[in-house]
Amino acid sequence: DAGVTQSPTHLIKTRGQQVTLRCSPKSGHDTVSWYQQALGQGPQFIFQYYEEEERQRGNFPDRFSGHQFPNYSSELNVNALLLGDSALYLCASSEAYGLAGARSTDTQYFGPGTRLTVL
Amino acid sequence: DQQVKQNSPSLSVQEGRISILNCDYTNSMFDYFLWYKKYPAEGPTFLISISSIKDKNEDGRFTVFLNKSAKHLSLHIVPSQPGDSAVYFCAASMSGGATNKLIFGTGTLLAVQP
Repeated sequence: DAGVTQSPTHLIKTRGQQVTLRCSPKSGHDTVSWYQQALGQGPQFIFQYYEEEERQRGNFPDRFSGHQFPNYSSELNVNALLLGDSALYLCASSEAYGLAGARSTDTQYFGPGTRLTVL
Repeated sequence: DQQVKQNSPSLSVQEGRISILNCDYTNSMFDYFLWYKKYPAEGPTFLISISSIKDKNEDGRFTVFLNKSAKHLSLHIVPSQPGDSAVYFCAASMSGGATNKLIFGTGTLLAVQP
């Protein structure tokens, strides 16, 4: 049973560039959340996707955008990179319960992360 | 505003003894709490969770206690093993919202000495 996978593992970009990170959820999961973990901090919620729509967004600027595909995989895009965007980006998946439009269950399972360095 | 706090950045215990990791929260709307373990260069691994309708949940060597009146939870690991050495994150979520987004603490680094 494949867990959550993310690619790439590491990425180095320069300021002003754009980056795309990818995530495949755990088998059976259809909800994907993205988190940013800065050094010495806990993960911070960026946004969550369910049924190919952004359900909720954390306190992140519009430079951060995402997409979910029909197979439930997801991408995180960051435009106009800043030095402060250097962090570990984590994808988490969970299983939506109940009927269409219902909230996800509370346990999220994380991928290994993508380490982004902005120079 | 740090809604979930882990005030101990690090903890060192001897192998075989009990490890107690603590977490405090400020938002009374939180009703589901989770503990994750994280090794370097890996993503967080889910350990154990507890709903606010319970005050204790146990899974093998891991037990989580919830004190709602004090807005405090703790993770007990008995007996501690060297492989338990990692960063432990406490996280909280609230039902009734659009999603189950998690609010994390800053983590506690546990070192289990052989």
